[in-house]
Amino acid sequence: AQTVTQSQPEMSVQEAETVTLSCTYDTSESDYYLFWYKQPPSRQMILVIRQEAYKQQNATENRFSVNFQKAAKSFSLKISDSQLGDAAMYFCAYRGAIYGGSQGNLIFGKGTKLSVKP
Amino acid sequence: GAVVSQHPSWVICKSGTSVKIECRSLDFQATTMFWYRQFPKQSLMLMATSNEGSKATYEQGVEKDKFLINHASLTLSTLTVTSAHPEDSSFYICSVQRGGQETQYFGPGTRLLVL
Repeated sequence: AQTVTQSQPEMSVQEAETVTLSCTYDTSESDYYLFWYKQPPSRQMILVIRQEAYKQQNATENRFSVNFQKAAKSFSLKISDSQLGDAAMYFCAYRGAIYGGSQGNLIFGKGTKLSVKP
Repeated sequence: GAVVSQHPSWVICKSGTSVKIECRSLDFQATTMFWYRQFPKQSLMLMATSNEGSKATYEQGVEKDKFLINHASLTLSTLTVTSAHPEDSSFYICSVQRGGQETQYFGPGTRLLVL
């Protein structure tokens, strides 16, 4: 079974600084997708970034980028120029590439709570 | 992205009553919808997966007779919590997924409080 581990329950960053959130996963599949979702105090889950495992290039979305290390099964999120609005719970998630049944479901980590200091 | 709505956003009910939560995909047809439950300061727990026109697939430990899911159309799924009890109080979130795609888009969630 696949698992997702976020080893940092809480992180803190100064506004305008850079922070990296860690995520590791375990799978025997060769093709899959990885996601980072943000959940602010409103509790709305917002997709931050996604990565296809077959792509070697790391995904980027404006100030958000990932460091995807497939061999190490690591998928960290880097937030540059942190803003107060980035304060939220961040969840790393895994989805197998095979559609249907439980293999199509998202498997979430326990989350990392990010605080941004002004 | 996708626009997903949930109604109601919060509900308070008496123990023993049933509560229906709607999830709507507003800008595309969602072949698959998911229902999650989230306790405070915890991650999301998948309850069930529903495909339009077929019975929902429930995760282990989730009572299908208690949490009734109806995926009536490609844009609407409902979760009914039957005979609700205080332990059913939680935050319920739906997500939608377009056929053949891998990304789930989430609704804003429904806070349920059972007194």
